[in-house]
Amino acid sequence: KNQVEQSPQSLIILEGKNCTLQCNYTVSPFSNLRWYKQDTGRGPVSLTIMTFSENTKSNGRYTATLDADTKQSSLHITASQLSDSASYICVVSASGGSYIPTFGRGTSLIVHP
Amino acid sequence: ETGVTQTPRHLVMGMTNKKSLKCEQHLGHNAMYWYKQSAKKPLELMFVYNFKEQTENNSVPSRFSPECPNSSHLFLHLHTLQPEDSALYLCASSQDRELAGDWAYNEQFFGPGTRLTVL
Repeated sequence: KNQVEQSPQSLIILEGKNCTLQCNYTVSPFSNLRWYKQDTGRGPVSLTIMTFSENTKSNGRYTATLDADTKQSSLHITASQLSDSASYICVVSASGGSYIPTFGRGTSLIVHP
Repeated sequence: ETGVTQTPRHLVMGMTNKKSLKCEQHLGHNAMYWYKQSAKKPLELMFVYNFKEQTENNSVPSRFSPECPNSSHLFLHLHTLQPEDSALYLCASSQDRELAGDWAYNEQFFGPGTRLTVL
């Protein structure tokens, strides 16, 4: 069964600090992995996408890594800002024609001033 | 209006009511999706439409009935819902698979969602 597990479930950090969110998956055959940011009361917004051959991708202060061998990904946030407070969702898609990706439960990040 | 819009943003309904959720995308996409997001649960894909044709129904109960009259509009008709159906219902759109290569690589753009409460 395809699964995506995220950790931690929630995280509180001070403004300006760095943090790393984890995503482990069992989706097979693997096609790509996305990280989404979802602000409260809004729909998710894509931050990064990585395919099998990519092991790191950055989007401003967000850097995602992918280890396809261990089936792990991380999202590193540098110099956090109050606006980074949101839920971060890891989504993994399989190749082979399925339209149904597998979503993680998300990590809730709170950045305090 | 740009992006993906959803109406209403909030909806409270009784179990015997009939209501509809509306989604509209202004991105020129050909694929549209309905998702359900319950508290402390992963996003669940409900339906997929590609060029107005339903291509996926992820074992959704028949009390949820989707309608896609054209590539820009998507509806979710609700009838005799249960309290456990209370959730955030999100609509999304993306480029069609054939136009942009591997579908799985197509970014989905989400609307703000409709917060549904069933009493």
